[in-house]
Amino acid sequence: QKEVEQNSGPLSVPEGAIASLNCTYSDRGSQSFFWYRQYSGKSPELIMSIYSNGDKEDGRFTAQLNKASQYVSLLIRDSQPSDSATYLCAGDPYFGNEKLTFGTGTRLTIIP
Amino acid sequence: GAGVSQSPRYKVAKRGQDVALRCDPISGHVSLFWYQQALGQGPEFLTYFQNEAQLDKSGLPSDRFFAERPEGSVSTLKIQRTQQEDSAVYLCASSLGLGGVDTIYFGEGSWLTVV
Repeated sequence: QKEVEQNSGPLSVPEGAIASLNCTYSDRGSQSFFWYRQYSGKSPELIMSIYSNGDKEDGRFTAQLNKASQYVSLLIRDSQPSDSATYLCAGDPYFGNEKLTFGTGTRLTIIP
Repeated sequence: GAGVSQSPRYKVAKRGQDVALRCDPISGHVSLFWYQQALGQGPEFLTYFQNEAQLDKSGLPSDRFFAERPEGSVSTLKIQRTQQEDSAVYLCASSLGLGGVDTIYFGEGSWLTVV
């Protein structure tokens, strides 16, 4: 069992709708969590980070963390075609970004 | 430079050949990381430097893999006697390393194909 699990997709969402991406993790010691966006052939780019239980909003993106249930989610509101990419969930046992454990990624396609 | 720079971007190596992959982190970044990303997978941690000190190399898959950062800036990942299973994208990343939470910036990667 991988330490960070994601549904590989593909996930298709109509333009303007809400895209919901989910991630579970097995290491209860994980302290911080990150969502990265990766376009095909490109490097991962940080979208959101979250460390405390609850919601964290940044523009059209909302990250949710539930440490008791060991899941992290990312909501993308008003989805745009430019949001089409692979979204990687990552966890870290520290707060210092020193050793990220990534999931396999969820491929998201926004349908115009 | 403006971002993390890696070279070569693409490398085809014959099985058994040695390869060296270079990473130029963002100027002033203390922390440097190497990750390996196989096709269709997420990045897997290889090793981590703080300045010239290699603080964690637990992710290096075998003793054929070696990384160094002798002057605390540029880093080289060396793979000896390459095998087909080494084919992957090798991502270098850097961060300020000030403690607490830093943003990690990834390079575009070095795409290695072993034939």
